[in-house]
Amino acid sequence: DTAVSQTPKYLVTQMGNDKSIKCEQNLGHDTMYWYKQDSKKFLKIMFSYNNKELIINETVPNRFSPKSPDKAHLNLHINSLELGDSAVYFCASSQGTGGVYGYTFGSGTRLTVV
Amino acid sequence: AQSVTQLDSQVPVFEEAPVELRCNYSSSVSVYLFWYVQYPNQGLQLLLKYLSGSTLVKGINGFEAEFNKSQTSFHLRKPSVHISDTAEYFCAVSEGGGYQKVTFGTGTKLQVIP
Repeated sequence: DTAVSQTPKYLVTQMGNDKSIKCEQNLGHDTMYWYKQDSKKFLKIMFSYNNKELIINETVPNRFSPKSPDKAHLNLHINSLELGDSAVYFCASSQGTGGVYGYTFGSGTRLTVV
Repeated sequence: AQSVTQLDSQVPVFEEAPVELRCNYSSSVSVYLFWYVQYPNQGLQLLLKYLSGSTLVKGINGFEAEFNKSQTSFHLRKPSVHISDTAEYFCAVSEGGGYQKVTFGTGTKLQVIP
């Protein structure tokens, strides 16, 4: 039973399209995150939600909009996709802050914009 | 602001040999430190963490790390590696508490040679 699951695993789309990535965790954690991993494997936090409340909103284009309908789900919607958005997007969760307890990551969504 | 440096981008090592992956951090306050492992096409998995107490921390898969405050280091070691340890390893630092962000290093690719 997957702890943090993301769908889809792969996403290939054209520039200008709008797409969504979904994430669900069954660990009972109260904090969820979106991370972006670029082609050089560098990981950068994008957003964090605690009990449906946005607590970290890094400097990302406003084409990216997270939504957390409940504490077990965190989705990421991306408008007007650009070539530079190509990356692997990871969802993660933690009980309390990941800076103390560590994260549980999903297996990632590889987004390719053509 | 905190930062993490992983000096080695790649470390090749023969099977059953020992390995050390280096991590140095910079912070003006006390920190929490983590090592994560990423196998190909998977998400990151927490290997071990240092929060406080004993400076030698044992993790999963036979890995351990030593926190050295004076040298601001948190190097990861394993006495005898296996082919299955081939993966990317990420060091991460947090200034703890609240919803402080976790900063990841750029990763070290461990290549175990048969």
